[in-house]
Amino acid sequence: DIVMAQSPPYVSVTPGEEVSIACRASEGIGNYLYWYQQKPDQAPTLLIKFASQSVSGVPSRFSGRGSGTDFTFTISSLEPEDAATYYCQQGYVHPLTFGGGTRVDIK
Amino acid sequence: QVQLQESGPGLVKPSDTLSLTCTVSGDSIRSPNWWGWIRQPPGQGLEWIGYIYYTGSVHYNPSLKSRVTMSVDTSKNHFSLKLTSVTAVDTAVYYCARKKDGRNPFDPWGRGTLVTVSS
Repeated sequence: DIVMAQSPPYVSVTPGEEVSIACRASEGIGNYLYWYQQKPDQAPTLLIKFASQSVSGVPSRFSGRGSGTDFTFTISSLEPEDAATYYCQQGYVHPLTFGGGTRVDIK
Repeated sequence: QVQLQESGPGLVKPSDTLSLTCTVSGDSIRSPNWWGWIRQPPGQGLEWIGYIYYTGSVHYNPSLKSRVTMSVDTSKNHFSLKLTSVTAVDTAVYYCARKKDGRNPFDPWGRGTLVTVSS
């Protein structure tokens, strides 16, 4: 199975600041990397597809980059409503696997 | 707007079978999509269970494959999950989700339903 290692597991950020989350795949997955946001007691929602492609309706402060094994997700200017857990997921091979999540708190 | 809604018992006894259904609205289950299940134990991360195409083709996570069966009912526009011989470790929020054919992400997801395994 491809292991998706996310870091950091937790980060506390002041509104307006930038936050970046790393996701490393244990083997190459091309650009088949997706980012989800999960707010407390809600289902995950898709934010970024194919490593860097924006999703309709998602604010432009959310972005992604990377390919192969190393990926980064960035929130350029954190808003209070961005408090959530963020997950990466590889869609390259079965079994599909998720990163362990990064919880983003607001200071 | 596509919506998915999980339904089924919230409490299952150990060694019994967990059965859930996901009803799809706003899209035909015959469309070129895979219909999937993902679960999340309380306070933990996400685990892909598997997905099914309307033709009945399936892909299961090998870690659960021996206990999982998925089916689709095109007349009711819903699909189902059965997980046999459950134990406490199967306690989780179970989500259904749509995935377009090909190497695509899950979008959208249902709201999820908590299934507790306990006697």
